[in-house]
Amino acid sequence: DQQVKQNSPSLSVQEGRISILNCDYTNSMFDYFLWYKKYPAEGPTFLISISSIKDKNEDGRFTVFLNKSAKHLSLHIVPSQPGDSAVYFCAARNYGQNFVFGPGTRLSVLP
Amino acid sequence: DSGVTQTPKHLITATGQRVTLRCSPRSGDLSVYWYQQSLDQGLQFLIQYYNGEERAKGNILERFSAQQFPDLHSELNLSSLELGDSALYFCASSSGQGINIQYFGAGTRLSVL
Repeated sequence: DQQVKQNSPSLSVQEGRISILNCDYTNSMFDYFLWYKKYPAEGPTFLISISSIKDKNEDGRFTVFLNKSAKHLSLHIVPSQPGDSAVYFCAARNYGQNFVFGPGTRLSVLP
Repeated sequence: DSGVTQTPKHLITATGQRVTLRCSPRSGDLSVYWYQQSLDQGLQFLIQYYNGEERAKGNILERFSAQQFPDLHSELNLSSLELGDSALYFCASSSGQGINIQYFGAGTRLSVL
């Protein structure tokens, strides 16, 4: 039973345009969400987070949006750069429990 | 650099053998997690330790075991290895409190031939 879903296994975007990565979850009790970025042969790197009491969090080119009623979050990267090409994982947790990871979306930013 | 150290980076061994993967968490972190990633699949959670005690168990095979030592480093032992055990094994650590964000090591790539 996948509680955190990333339904697009891959995404290609032109350099300079916006990348939008989506994540859906099933557990309405999740209270905190994370995005990680992973390059090949490296460990995932924490990117940005959002609490369930917010609907938006921004950090430079990265913005995460949370729609609790739809149980959906998205990561926007603007503008996209070739160095953003990586696998992106979203993760969610119930308070006091471990984060559950989605299967990941591979982003390719084309020059 | 996440501050989480995993050794070795690469390991090549034969079926039926046993190997040990080592993880040193970030300074001050009490929780250690082990994950398996096979063939560009997602991260499969194996097991978590908190301050020396097992805290949570995921899809860890009976042939696999782990422990966390008093100095908080952790080892993942894989025995009776099969070809399908070839994967990237990641260790992550967290404070064990508050938001509890996990910080990942660079991984150990295990190849079973």
